Amino acid sequence: GAGVSQSPSNKVTEKGKDVELRCDPISGHTALYWYRQRLGQGLEFLIYFQGNSAPDKSGLPSDRFSAERTGESVSTLTIQRTQQEDSAVYLCASSLIAGYLGELFFGEGSRLTVL
Amino acid sequence: KQEVTQIPAALSVPEGENLVLNCSFTDSAIYNLQWFRQDPGKGLTSLLLIQSSQREQTSGRLNASLDKSSGRSTLYIAASQPGDSATYLCAVSDSGGYQKVTFGTGTKLQVIP
Repeated sequence: GAGVSQSPSNKVTEKGKDVELRCDPISGHTALYWYRQRLGQGLEFLIYFQGNSAPDKSGLPSDRFSAERTGESVSTLTIQRTQQEDSAVYLCASSLIAGYLGELFFGEGSRLTVL
Repeated sequence: KQEVTQIPAALSVPEGENLVLNCSFTDSAIYNLQWFRQDPGKGLTSLLLIQSSQREQTSGRLNASLDKSSGRSTLYIAASQPGDSATYLCAVSDSGGYQKVTFGTGTKLQVIP
């Protein structure tokens, strides 16, 4: 597609349930980032994928959080046993590392509400 | 560890004014710096990207400058309009093989008609 696509755009879940968020990056972009943005807060880095290299998971807040990406395609962020503190907008970005840019392009985000 | 600071946190100006937003970073070993805008409830929209070897970039009424040695960037907005109201964020990518991106906390701009 033309831009970064994220789904679902909104998700309301009950505490303790698992959720899966999806990010479809711009075709050909080798790098993919996940960020979390709580209400009124800045962007919090979660995880970074670069091609087939081992991902940087240093930003994942707990072992309830995990993410996968196969090659340079879709990524999924999974949150297990959700807590109310997980309520936030989860933003995905992709970039073309090679050549001129490294410019980040963001999706519209997935808004997660944990009741 | 890279730290990015944006001052002011909020800014309110009358329509038509020229304004400057500031971004500072602690580690000058960067690959590039990017300015974004974020509208309420939306994702981030890229405005300008400056490579570490560049001093400035321009797009329409926007001009971004970079002084890597002093760890500073400014975003200049000319002839501000109410549609410019948004939160503006800067982000720096670390140099080297792995481009970790660090974001500032943003400047919330309100342009009053």
